[in-house]
Amino acid sequence: KAGVTQTPRYLIKTRGQQVTLSCSPISGHRSVSWYQQTPGQGLQFLFEYFSETQRNKGNFPGRFSGRQFSNSRSEMNVSTLELGDSALYLCASSLAEAGELFFGEGSRLTVL
Amino acid sequence: QKEVEQNSGPLSVPEGAIASLNCTYSDRVSQSFFWYRQYSGKSPELIMSIYSNGDKEDGRFTAQLNKASQYVSLLIRDSQPSDSATYLCARRAGANNLFFGTGTRLTVIP
Repeated sequence: KAGVTQTPRYLIKTRGQQVTLSCSPISGHRSVSWYQQTPGQGLQFLFEYFSETQRNKGNFPGRFSGRQFSNSRSEMNVSTLELGDSALYLCASSLAEAGELFFGEGSRLTVL
Repeated sequence: QKEVEQNSGPLSVPEGAIASLNCTYSDRVSQSFFWYRQYSGKSPELIMSIYSNGDKEDGRFTAQLNKASQYVSLLIRDSQPSDSATYLCARRAGANNLFFGTGTRLTVIP
């Protein structure tokens, strides 16, 4: 059974640009969550989607957005990139609302 | 006050010893807690979940929850070098929204 797939794995952007990250969940999983991981702040919740609807949103500015498609695949977008957005962005899928998350390998974003 | 607090370590134990990882949380209504393991350069993976007061055992791992003291712990018996990783404690805030601690780095010395 294939795991959670995230693309791209690595990317470099400059300040002011925007970026779109993609996530394909485990087959059958309808919940997709996004997390940001940095050395200083650790893992922080961005948002969660279930059946194309955003159910929860973390404490991030509106520059961070996401969506989920009918096949459960999800994308997140960060606009007007700032240096502080450099991080590992992790997508996780889940079968239910139990908090048992299966993480992808992440997309490492560097903002110059 | 952080939602979930962990001692960042590093924690070093000799091979075969018991590693004890601790976590405290601030939200008294929390019901669900999780331990994730993250190897260097890899993504987190779920080790244990615990929802009720007391102990829950799974192989060499035992999770302990004390809701009155707002305390969660993970014991690793017969520690192996392959257990060397960062261990993340998390509490569920809603659906699949988890608050994670910053993690405790464990090193098992052969």
